[in-house]
Parts: sequence; structure tokens; C-alpha cells
Amino acid sequence: GAGVSQTPSNKVTEKGKYVELRCDPISGHTALYWYRQSLGQGPEFLIYFQGTGAADDSGLPNDRFFAVRPEGSVSTLKIQRTERGDSAVYLCASSLEWTGELFFGEGSRLTVL
Amino acid sequence: AQTVTQSQPEMSVQEAETVTLSCTYDTSESDYYLFWYKQPPSRQMILVIRQEAYKQQNATENRFSVNFQKAAKSFSLKISDSQLGDAAMYFCAYRRAFGKETSGSRLTFGEGTQLTVNP
Repeated sequence: GAGVSQTPSNKVTEKGKYVELRCDPISGHTALYWYRQSLGQGPEFLIYFQGTGAADDSGLPNDRFFAVRPEGSVSTLKIQRTERGDSAVYLCASSLEWTGELFFGEGSRLTVL
Repeated sequence: AQTVTQSQPEMSVQEAETVTLSCTYDTSESDYYLFWYKQPPSRQMILVIRQEAYKQQNATENRFSVNFQKAAKSFSLKISDSQLGDAAMYFCAYRRAFGKETSGSRLTFGEGTQLTVNP
């Protein structure tokens, strides 16, 4: 596709469940970022991939959060044992190279009941 | 650590008028980039304008311009001839100048300003 694609657009789950959020970056973009945006707040950095490797995962809040990018394209953010505080919009962005402009997707809104 | 502060949670403007959104930041670095992003209800962050800290000249993109005051660590956005389509959440963001590939282009965002445009 022409832009960054994120699925699902909306996800409602129950406390304690496992969730996966998918990001399909712009074709050819080597850098990929995940951000979390809580209600009424600005996005907060979670993790950055350069190619297949997580170059910076310092923003992940705890070990319930994990992200992969096995082939250097699509990335999946995985959240185990979800908590109500995990409710937020999860934004993905990609750039052509690590110095490039970021292009954002429309995010996945996660609601944990 | 860098911080970005937007002290105006909400602003409103009449169509065709001019509005200025404020942003301050804190950093110990001398070289960096500043951005304004627009986030409509679709949630997608759209780049409005960027400013390199080493450039003294204020950036301009059509109806959007910035007032960059490096010493004061201030970076305001001026929207001229406001249009209904400008209504959105606006975020100010900071990025370090590139040091190494492992740092990437991670952004630090402010809390946002909700802009309403009245017809």
C-alpha cells in the first residue's frame, strides 16, 4: 500500500488476555517505530527497529510488552496479560532510513475492559 | 532527557483569522530538530512543518510558519487564514540531531493543543 497500515483499527479485550497489533510499513522503509498514545496525551516512544533488529527498546514499559520484525518489514507488537492501563492508541511509523522523515499509520485503538 | 511542553490544551479561531500555538522545550543539546504535527480524528499524525535548530531562519510552509527562539527554547506555530480543515489536535515534537543509527529518529512529543476553527 501507499501508506503505513495498522490492524486492527480497534480492539476490545478483557483484562488478562493476550493481544497482537500489526504494522505494515511503507515498502522499502528500513526504520520502524511504535508509539503509545494515552487519552489526552502525546505519543510516547516504545521501540525502534532498524531492519530486523530492535535497535532501541528503552520505551517498553515492562516485560509484558514485546515486539518483533522478523523479515524487516511487517512488525507485530505483542502485549501479554493485558491490564486496563494498557488502553491506548498504538501508533506505528516508518521511515526510508534511520535519518528520514517519519510516516505514521492511523493507529490501533486498544481497549482493555 | 528532553521535554516538550504545550501550555494551551485548547485554542479556537475564526475561519480566515490567524492563530498561534505555543510550545516550549528543554534540552542540553545544541543541535536538534523541532516539528509540528497535526492529528485529525483519523488519528494519523501528519507532519505540518519542521525546523532545524542550526538554521536561524524560521521555517514556512504555505499558511503555516514558526517562530523559533533558540535561546528561549520556544517554538510556536502560526496558522494564517485558518480553514475549517485545520481543526485538529496539534503536537509539537523534538528530535535529537543524528548521532548514530541505533538512536534512530525517535520523537518526544508535547501534550497537544486541540484547535477548533469556527465558521
